[in-house]
Amino acid sequence: DAKTTQPTSMDCAEGRAANLPCNHSTISGNEYVYWYRQIHSQGPQYIIHGLKNNETNEMASLIITEDRKSSTLILPHATLRDTAVYYCIGYNAGNMLTFGGGTRLMVKP
Amino acid sequence: AAGVIQSPRHLIKEKRETATLKCYPIPRHDTVYWYQQGPGQDPQFLISFYEKMQSDKGSIPDRFSAQQFSDYHSELNMSSLELGDSALYFCASSLIVLAGGNEQFFGPGTRLTVL
Repeated sequence: DAKTTQPTSMDCAEGRAANLPCNHSTISGNEYVYWYRQIHSQGPQYIIHGLKNNETNEMASLIITEDRKSSTLILPHATLRDTAVYYCIGYNAGNMLTFGGGTRLMVKP
Repeated sequence: AAGVIQSPRHLIKEKRETATLKCYPIPRHDTVYWYQQGPGQDPQFLISFYEKMQSDKGSIPDRFSAQQFSDYHSELNMSSLELGDSALYFCASSLIVLAGGNEQFFGPGTRLTVL
């Protein structure tokens, strides 16, 4: 699995967009970029994933650079309930998820 | 929509006792994963099953064993419990398809406390 690097922590004002970066320069051609988040002591929650193209769903948008070495998760209008640890993971179907580090996002009023 | 069910939600055991955690995957999901999350740590993969066969193994102690049954539910059996086994144990399930969409859905976890 690709090693990913994320900022340890970030703050965001409520109602503003939260942009969470991730570096995954060693990602292989068939690995997807997956994003999960974990709200305190709850089970990790799937957010979004992509391979090459940018993706959007009801929760977030995922922007992947053309060389696939980095990506950005965008929460368009952050709320207090978005306060969580966000994990960027390089993943192949059926394999284990390797949670490492992650970004602790604090949304402030 | 149905989610992953784990039982019990909380469990308190003494050292050297045994514990059994249960996981009921989302209907029609064919793969189950177990993760352990110690205090202040990230979730760590333990073991997974695809179609009732062990498919991958992580940092699971020899004192632990797991299986997936014919109805696809899974059980994690833990023996000779140690204080260090105190953790949150998450089960996740997924449906393996050929292209994309293989996200793992997590249950609420079982909090195991070993005294």
